[in-house]
Amino acid sequence: DIQMTQSPSSVSASAGDRVTITCRASQGISNWLAWYQQKTGKAPKLLIHAASNLQSGVPSRFSGSGSGTDFTLTISSLEPEDFATYYCQQTHSFPLTFGGGTKVEIK
Amino acid sequence: EVLLVESGGGLVKPGGSLRLSCAASGFSFSSYTMTWVRQAPGKGLEWVSSINSISRLIHDADSVKGRFTISRDNAKKSLFLQMNSLRADDTAVYYCATYTSMGSLEYWGQGTLVTVSS
Repeated sequence: DIQMTQSPSSVSASAGDRVTITCRASQGISNWLAWYQQKTGKAPKLLIHAASNLQSGVPSRFSGSGSGTDFTLTISSLEPEDFATYYCQQTHSFPLTFGGGTKVEIK
Repeated sequence: EVLLVESGGGLVKPGGSLRLSCAASGFSFSSYTMTWVRQAPGKGLEWVSSINSISRLIHDADSVKGRFTISRDNAKKSLFLQMNSLRADDTAVYYCATYTSMGSLEYWGQGTLVTVSS
């Protein structure tokens, strides 16, 4: 199974800050990676697919990069509605696996 | 508008069974691979099972293999998860989701809570 390791597990930031979340796969997955945002009590929302492709309707302040084993989700300027938990997921092979999550909290 | 609505969750005793349903609308259900993902209280996301559009390919997580069975009825635009031999660690919110060609989970339902407790 492919293990996904996210860091940090939590980050405190202020509105307007730039936030970067990293995700590392235990083996190469090319660009088979997705990022999700989840707010408390809600279903996850797809933000990025194929490592760097912004899902329709997602604000351009979100971006994804990386290939192989190392990936990054960047929020260029945090908005109040961006405080949430973010997950990466490898889509390379079954079993599908998720990172442990990164909680973006208000400083 | 794409809509996925899960139902069938509830409280069940260890060793019991439950059948979850996911009603789909607003998209061509019969063309999509569908997936169940669960989330234990306060924990992260865990993939459970996936089924392709014509029910020929099924993948299950090791944690549910032999106990859970995914199925679908394309005529009724519905996805199911039959859960048997339930354990306390199966307690979670269960989400159904559409699975894209790149393997990402595009649309999600609101989830249904399954609680396994005596």
